[in-house]
Amino acid sequence: SAVISQKPSRDICQRGTSLTIQCQVDSQVTMMFWYRQQPGQSLTLIATANQGSEATYESGFVIDKFPISRPNLTFSTLTVSNMSPEDSSIYLCSVDNGVYEQYFGPGTRLTVT
Amino acid sequence: KNQVEQSPQSLIILEGKNCTLQCNYTVSPFSNLRWYKQDTGRGPVSLTIMTFSENTKSNGRYTATLDADTKQSSLHITASQLSDSASYICVVSAFQTGANNLFFGTGTRLTVIP
Repeated sequence: SAVISQKPSRDICQRGTSLTIQCQVDSQVTMMFWYRQQPGQSLTLIATANQGSEATYESGFVIDKFPISRPNLTFSTLTVSNMSPEDSSIYLCSVDNGVYEQYFGPGTRLTVT
Repeated sequence: KNQVEQSPQSLIILEGKNCTLQCNYTVSPFSNLRWYKQDTGRGPVSLTIMTFSENTKSNGRYTATLDADTKQSSLHITASQLSDSASYICVVSAFQTGANNLFFGTGTRLTVIP
């Protein structure tokens, strides 16, 4: 199994500012995933982060808005840039074990005012 | 279109009672189906994972069933406890290249009351 921690656990931010979310895994993993969970909605994949290469973004998400770093095999950051109230969500970091199991971090609850 | 639908959206039951949550999917080609439990303020935690050939899988008081022909799954919770109060998310994985091969339901919000 993998233990994932995220910082911050929650934050309230003003419109137009940026927030960087950190994700730390207790073991080395090839791929790390970033999800968004809007209120009452299912999880939506934002991007996949591989160490040593640029992140791969899903349709509807762009690097300028959600820049991602992956400096090593246990750590990643997601930045939510130029925030608006529509960005208020829970942001989740995730890894898988290469087979079927997927592990999620506790999430970062973001509120934009 | 690959979709996962769950019902009911929310459910309130008395402690000690049983309940069943439903999941219907149209994901193809099917790889596996997972049920997750998400406590408030926490990330989802895996309860069961079933592949095409598995019909039933249990994890303590949680029993999941899968009918791959009708593309339906259920999660049965026996003798509910207050700690079962959470959202239960059905996730279906497709056999396809790329990372975005997981399709998430919107979840069933279960509240267990004393």
